[in-house]
Amino acid sequence: GAVVSQHPSRVICKSGTSVKIECRSLDFQATTMFWYRQFPKQSLMLMATSNEGSKATYEQGVEKDKFLINHASLTLSTLTVTSAHPEDSSFYICSGGQGGNQPQHFGDGTRLSIL
Amino acid sequence: KQEVTQIPAALSVPEGENLVLNCSFTDSAIYNLQWFRQDPGKGLTSLLLIQSSQREQTSGRLNASLDKSSGRSTLYIAASQPGDSATYLCAVGETGGGNKLTFGTGTQLKVEL
Repeated sequence: GAVVSQHPSRVICKSGTSVKIECRSLDFQATTMFWYRQFPKQSLMLMATSNEGSKATYEQGVEKDKFLINHASLTLSTLTVTSAHPEDSSFYICSGGQGGNQPQHFGDGTRLSIL
Repeated sequence: KQEVTQIPAALSVPEGENLVLNCSFTDSAIYNLQWFRQDPGKGLTSLLLIQSSQREQTSGRLNASLDKSSGRSTLYIAASQPGDSATYLCAVGETGGGNKLTFGTGTQLKVEL
């Protein structure tokens, strides 16, 4: 079945560092991918929709200058958390799918910890 | 704005028991509904996807139903096993392709020996 690969799986870094997370669709092409954020014991909240070859669409309340999204190819989307601070610590998950009646497939997530 | 709620928030059952997880959503104009499983610290595994025109889907010991008009879906797990212990999330796909998902609050299931 369709596989989405996300890495790194875990990042621990100092406050002020920028962190890049990659999301790859391994056996299908994804014109659209999605980035979610999950706080402990809470559900997933959609942050933004990543569109291949165009600007990402951000959900209300998500700072586009803080969370930079690039979708340069049909198989790769990246999320960069710029100048990360402790409040950005969270579990970030990406998803992609082939659309229509096909399910969304999720990466294994990235645990980001900002000290 | 679509809101998705899952009841109960947590559930503990003995091995072998049949159980039902509930999901409700406020806007019935959905494209599809998907059930996922999430193990601690891990990503999501897709279990079942129901199109808006369908009423149920089955996979092994899992059966998911959808009543779009009442804004409800259930996930039935037969003969539960300790390996079923996980958090179960339902997610509603928006019209226009269904790829954009709104997630429920999740049900944390523990199946005990």
